[in-house]
Amino acid sequence: GENVEQHPSTLSVQEGDSAVIKCTYSDSASNYFPWYKQELGKGPQLIIDIRSNVGEKKDQRIAVTLNKTAKHFSLHITETQPEDSAVYFCAARPGGYQKVTFGTGTKLQVIP
Amino acid sequence: NAGVTQTPKFQVLKTGQSMTLQCAQDMNHEYMSWYRQDPGMGLRLIHYSVGAGITDQGEVPNGYNVSRSTTEDFPLRLLSAAPSQTSVYFCASSAYTGTDNQPQHFGDGTRLSIL
Repeated sequence: GENVEQHPSTLSVQEGDSAVIKCTYSDSASNYFPWYKQELGKGPQLIIDIRSNVGEKKDQRIAVTLNKTAKHFSLHITETQPEDSAVYFCAARPGGYQKVTFGTGTKLQVIP
Repeated sequence: NAGVTQTPKFQVLKTGQSMTLQCAQDMNHEYMSWYRQDPGMGLRLIHYSVGAGITDQGEVPNGYNVSRSTTEDFPLRLLSAAPSQTSVYFCASSAYTGTDNQPQHFGDGTRLSIL
């Protein structure tokens, strides 16, 4: 089955700096890679996703890159703000109804 | 539009007791799933369903049962609670459009403690 590894497990940055979270996956059949943000006491919420036919996707301060050859994908947050503090999860999924496999999460702390 | 609703939000059980965690969605999603979240282990899939009457096991199914009699509801049953089942449980749903992937929508979780 799919195995998703996520690094780092914790990340502290100064407000205004950039944050990068990296994930690797094992199953070459995976073609959908969502990222979720989980705030304290809440369920994960999708913040951005990328499909395997695209190498990069950007939404305001958030961007995701995908390297299918190396089986790597990364989340980039620029100009971080205190409200970006949360736990972030990457995930990988083959097509259709296949199971989603999650990484173990990164706790991001943005220091004002 | 309520999205995915989980009840209860908190529950304390004694070892050996049984209970049902409720999950309902109002988005007419075909795909529903249950995860447990434990510190340092991310989200692990317990059971999932691709439509009414169809369920399948995930990564950690032992000790849990599910059924899917309607599109809207996907309850998770703990048959005989054990301390190892202390966790936060999340229900999620997503649409399905052919081979395209759609994002999952999560509820806010049920925090379960087994004494």
